[in-house]
Amino acid sequence: DAGVIQSPRHEVTEMGQEVTLRCKPISGHDYLFWYRQTMMRGLELLIYFNNNVPIDDSGMPEDRFSAKMPNASFSTLKIQPSEPRDSAVYFCASSPSANNEQFFGPGTRLTVL
Amino acid sequence: TQLLEQSPQFLSIQEGENLTVYCNSSSVFSSLQWYRQEPGEGPVLLVTVVTGGEVKKLKRLTFQFGDARKDSSLHITAAQPGDTGLYLCAGAGNNDMRFGAGTRLTVKP
Repeated sequence: DAGVIQSPRHEVTEMGQEVTLRCKPISGHDYLFWYRQTMMRGLELLIYFNNNVPIDDSGMPEDRFSAKMPNASFSTLKIQPSEPRDSAVYFCASSPSANNEQFFGPGTRLTVL
Repeated sequence: TQLLEQSPQFLSIQEGENLTVYCNSSSVFSSLQWYRQEPGEGPVLLVTVVTGGEVKKLKRLTFQFGDARKDSSLHITAAQPGDTGLYLCAGAGNNDMRFGAGTRLTVKP
């Protein structure tokens, strides 16, 4: 089992550019979560999906952030336009249920200059 | 505002010492999970506690769930450098789970 796969592992971009982060959840997991982690704010839930449908996006910071899950094996988190304050590590996690163990990917470290 | 408050935020100790970290909330949880995160990796589940007052042991780690299911503690005996990492607690509600900010532990050889 490959676990949760995220790409890219590192992304450096300039302010104003579009950034797309990708995630492949563990096969058979119905729930997919996107988190952002910083030293100041810790691990923040941005959005989660159940069976490809967004359930709670109240953690999405603003309209510059959007997430999609076109099928059970793929999700994207897009930031457009990116800003320096978006610099963080973004994690994707999947789970069989909303309140069960979550399996995290290795994260994408985003730096916006 | 964090739903789950973890303390201390940072802890630096010498190898062989004992330590306890705490996870507190005003909310009642159906279960509570503890994760450890190492640098450059995602969090990994250590244990899940479900019943109020429950105590679980994982080698040198002892986890306790409060009687009211609002708080939890993690005690490490004879800490080792390999215990270094970020310890996160996560409280499960009916349809979601929320993480605390974590305790960053450093164990010096």
